[in-house]
Amino acid sequence: GAGVSQSPSNKVTEKGKDVELRCDPISGHTALYWYRQSLGQGLEFLIYFQGNSAPDKSGLPSDRFSAERTGGSVSTLTIQRTQQEDSAVYLCASSLKWDSLQPQHFGDGTRLSIL
Amino acid sequence: AQTVTQSQPEMSVQEAETVTLSCTYDTSENNYYLFWYKQPPSRQMILVIRQEAYKQQNATENRFSVNFQKAAKSFSLKISDSQLGDTAMYFCAFRDVSGNTPLVFGKGTRLSVIA
Repeated sequence: GAGVSQSPSNKVTEKGKDVELRCDPISGHTALYWYRQSLGQGLEFLIYFQGNSAPDKSGLPSDRFSAERTGGSVSTLTIQRTQQEDSAVYLCASSLKWDSLQPQHFGDGTRLSIL
Repeated sequence: AQTVTQSQPEMSVQEAETVTLSCTYDTSENNYYLFWYKQPPSRQMILVIRQEAYKQQNATENRFSVNFQKAAKSFSLKISDSQLGDTAMYFCAFRDVSGNTPLVFGKGTRLSVIA
């Protein structure tokens, strides 16, 4: 079956530009997560959507980062006025529901490079 | 706040041998879940094994098993009969049972299986 799909796979952009990263979760999954993985680092939580509840934005590093999830499905992570330190792999995951034991299924990520 | 520590940035093992990856964590919670994820060069995070803290029995999944020591807050992963396809980054992760928090990841251990 279809897994979590992220696009683009790779994105190169100039410092100061805005970027949008897309995540299509597995159909029926109500929970959606964004993580950032910098070179040589573990995954850093960014934001978490659960159903129609207000998202948990506690991991967003600055107000240049925002995310939305339309219709409880597709999510877009937007980074405004990109900086070089934003270069990383951005991973999206979804799970069947909020239950902690439900495994999170990850996409292949978007590798973002800021020149 | 919970933290997860993986003290081995890199490890190597000969094919068919056994290797153990270390993970320790810090939490004030009594009940929680622990996970090991594998990230091959393809970037996709794959769930390897999970453990519920209230279960004393160590989880096993084929060649993968854990040694969960709750009092010591230790959660090591043992890979038996290592295969070349096991070469990957391995991440230990923690999540409380409420589901209101995201996964907290360690920084990972890069495992190389040598023929």
